[in-house]
Amino acid sequence: EAQVTQNPRYLITVTGKKLTVTCSQNMNHEYMSWYRQDPGLGLRQIYYSMNVEVTDKGDVPEGYKVSRKEKRNFPLILESPSPNQTSLYFCASSMDRIFNSPLHFGNGTRLTVT
Amino acid sequence: AQSVTQLDSQVPVFEEAPVELRCNYSSSVSVYLFWYVQYPNQGLQLLLKYLSGSTLVESINGFEAEFNKSQTSFHLRKPSVHISDTAEYFCAVSMHSGGYQKVTFGTGTKLQVIP
Repeated sequence: EAQVTQNPRYLITVTGKKLTVTCSQNMNHEYMSWYRQDPGLGLRQIYYSMNVEVTDKGDVPEGYKVSRKEKRNFPLILESPSPNQTSLYFCASSMDRIFNSPLHFGNGTRLTVT
Repeated sequence: AQSVTQLDSQVPVFEEAPVELRCNYSSSVSVYLFWYVQYPNQGLQLLLKYLSGSTLVESINGFEAEFNKSQTSFHLRKPSVHISDTAEYFCAVSMHSGGYQKVTFGTGTKLQVIP
């Protein structure tokens, strides 16, 4: 089954404790992206990756890091989480070269930073 | 820069009544348009898309959307809603920018179907 898998689904942590949210897709997609969803703000892009070792900032990159060492994986790293990063996070992928292709989303990771 | 406006944050509607969820966008270049649906505790799923051709596009579960270039709108409609349509709906605009797919989402509209 074609899918985007995120882990964990729920995460509660404390300020300053480094964490990683994993994302993996099995569709051989080149393009992957991270979004955060906040009430009234919709989805905002954090980082995206066009291919292995190619990443770039989205609209709200501050406080986040990503890496793309393999095509299928695109982890999101919070080196020093803060309460304003409490949010619902989604990983998504699509066929990069066909820029009219839709995004495939994971089921989300709800992060709470206390 | 492109932007997407969903005018209604919440839309309550009775079961079997018609509904329209509004979406307007602004962009200086050609765009592709999408509606995504998010059911509780799930990720977003593609509902329908407009790429080119006929301005009226349909989904398999009875939704339709019409691309209106002059009004820069892509409103979503359904003639008769079901309880199972209760979800949040996001309009999205995709354009080719700097060699990659730039997708901008609206803020979402929560559709609440009342029995």
